[in-house]
Amino acid sequence: GNSVTQMEGPVTLSEEAFLTINCTYTATGYPSLFWYVQYPGEGLQLLLKATKADDKGSNKGFEATYRKETTSFHLEKGSVQVSDSAVYFCALSEGAAGNKLTFGGGTRVLVKP
Amino acid sequence: DTGVSQDPRHKITKRGQNVTFRCDPISEHNRLYWYRQTLGQGPEFLTYFQNEAQLEKSRLLSDRFSAERPKGSFSTLEIQRTEQGDSAMYLCALGTGNQPQHFGDGTRLSIL
Repeated sequence: GNSVTQMEGPVTLSEEAFLTINCTYTATGYPSLFWYVQYPGEGLQLLLKATKADDKGSNKGFEATYRKETTSFHLEKGSVQVSDSAVYFCALSEGAAGNKLTFGGGTRVLVKP
Repeated sequence: DTGVSQDPRHKITKRGQNVTFRCDPISEHNRLYWYRQTLGQGPEFLTYFQNEAQLEKSRLLSDRFSAERPKGSFSTLEIQRTEQGDSAMYLCALGTGNQPQHFGDGTRLSIL
């Protein structure tokens, strides 16, 4: 079956530091890949997506590249802000499976001023 | 505005009671998904509907769980004879085709 593995947190950074959250996946077909974010007290929001190999998703200064050869979709941001403190979830979906999402366990990021 | 309204936001009940949650799409989407998220974990798929048809149920969905989407719009998720292990956040999400799903804020269930 499908699975997503992401690095465990919490990740604690200072403002303006570089952030990387690793995500690898196992899938039977050709999944679409997503990063969702959950800010404190809020629901899950889509951060970015990539639908095929070598696609790069980007939003709010975050980027992730769909790497089929390494089955990875690592999230990066060059300069984090306090407002980026949240829990980040890597996820995949497959059209043949009704597009249901398979999530990783989440990575909590805390950015200190 | 997530486009998905879930009610109630928080439900506290005693073990053994039945509970029902509701998910109301604000806009039309042919697919509606239910997920469960326990503390410190990622959401896990429970079931989904294409219009009014329930097309898949996870093995996580025991016989005590039932979901409906009678007119292809709103959906309900019922848990009978609740157990401690049912304590979680229950999330509803909407999707169309292969577009990203939009999530509601969830219903937090606490079993005393």
